[in-house]
Amino acid sequence: SQQGEEDPQALSIQEGENATMNCSYKTSINNLQWYRQNSGRGLVHLILIRSNEREKHSGRLRVTLDTSKKSSSLLITASRAADTASYFCATALGNQFYFGTGTSLTVIP
Amino acid sequence: SQTIHQWPATLVQPVGSPLSLECTVEGTSNPNLYWYRQAAGRGLQLLFYSVGIGQISSEVPQNLSASRPQDRQFILSSKKLLLSDSGFYLCAFLAASYNEQFFGPGTRLTVL
Repeated sequence: SQQGEEDPQALSIQEGENATMNCSYKTSINNLQWYRQNSGRGLVHLILIRSNEREKHSGRLRVTLDTSKKSSSLLITASRAADTASYFCATALGNQFYFGTGTSLTVIP
Repeated sequence: SQTIHQWPATLVQPVGSPLSLECTVEGTSNPNLYWYRQAAGRGLQLLFYSVGIGQISSEVPQNLSASRPQDRQFILSSKKLLLSDSGFYLCAFLAASYNEQFFGPGTRLTVL
């Protein structure tokens, strides 16, 4: 399967702390993306990192990519209760996207 | 602006009944279209994708089929639903000038 995997599967932190989620994948990629899903809703795109990039920032989000290890991490700094959601990485190759199994993040106010 | 619509939001169907889920996109032309299924608490499984009218690629063998009768319409169907078809179905599109997918709100299907 080309599907990636995130770890941890679930993460619970206090508001204000940082949250780090990791993603591993199996195939070559054009880019890797992170999405957020609130319970029972569709996914929303957060950030994209290209295969020739190593780090990218967007607001409180920081993404790293290590293509030699086929892994990526998503860091959310200064977390808020509203960040509570599931987070998925997705690898893109051509027209196809493959999503990981997700990390369920709970931020406790 | 680009928008994506999916309906119905929820559906309860008996085993053996047919299925038709519809997805339409506005504000873009010739998008790539995708159907995913998400089991409870799990990741997304790519079911079908389409790069144009009448062009369907299937990722996994299953009880479902997809069709794209118009540029911005993508339909997921089944002739006879199985219990294992229950799940959360998500439609998404990829616009030509973007690298990210835009998702619809999803349809929660329960097969009893």
